[in-house]
Amino acid sequence: DQQVKQNSPSLSVQEGRISILNCDYTNSMFDYFLWYKKYPAEGPTFLISISSIKDKNEDGRFTVFLNKSAKHLSLHIVPSQPGDSAVYFCAASANTGKLIFGQGTTLQVKP
Amino acid sequence: DSGVTQTPKHLITATGQRVTLRCSPRSGDLSVYWYQQSLDQGLQFLIQYYNGEERAKGNILERFSAQQFPDLHSELNLSSLELGDSALYFCASSVSEGGRGYNEQFFGPGTRLTVL
Repeated sequence: DQQVKQNSPSLSVQEGRISILNCDYTNSMFDYFLWYKKYPAEGPTFLISISSIKDKNEDGRFTVFLNKSAKHLSLHIVPSQPGDSAVYFCAASANTGKLIFGQGTTLQVKP
Repeated sequence: DSGVTQTPKHLITATGQRVTLRCSPRSGDLSVYWYQQSLDQGLQFLIQYYNGEERAKGNILERFSAQQFPDLHSELNLSSLELGDSALYFCASSVSEGGRGYNEQFFGPGTRLTVL
């Protein structure tokens, strides 16, 4: 049972444009959502998070939007840079330490 | 550098053997988490310890066990290894126990286990 889904395995965008990565979830008990970035041969790196009581959180070039009624969140990267090329994971937790991860989306930013 | 260290970086062993993976959390973090990433699966939560006590358990096999020591480092023990146990094993740490809307976890570089 995949409670957190990232339906796009890959995404390619041009440098300077917006990257939008999407994530859907099924468990209405999730109260905290996170995005991680992962480069090959490294561990996931925390990017940005959002509590279920908010609908938007912004940190520099990264913004996460949460639509609770649709059980959907998205990560916007503006402007995209070649160094952003990596695998992006969304994750969710339900008032515990356990994080449920999506399968990941590979982002390629072309110069 | 997340501040979480894991040893060894790579481990190659044979079926039926037992191995121990080690993790040192970031300074000040009390929670340690273990995750498994197989080729065909995403990151799967295994187990969490908070200040020496087990706090949450995922789909961890009975052949696997973990503990967190008084100095807060943690070890994941994998026994009777099978080919399917080959995977990346990540450790993560956080300040809090998790929950109550706050759960940023910081990951180590992982241990790649290959079972032949």
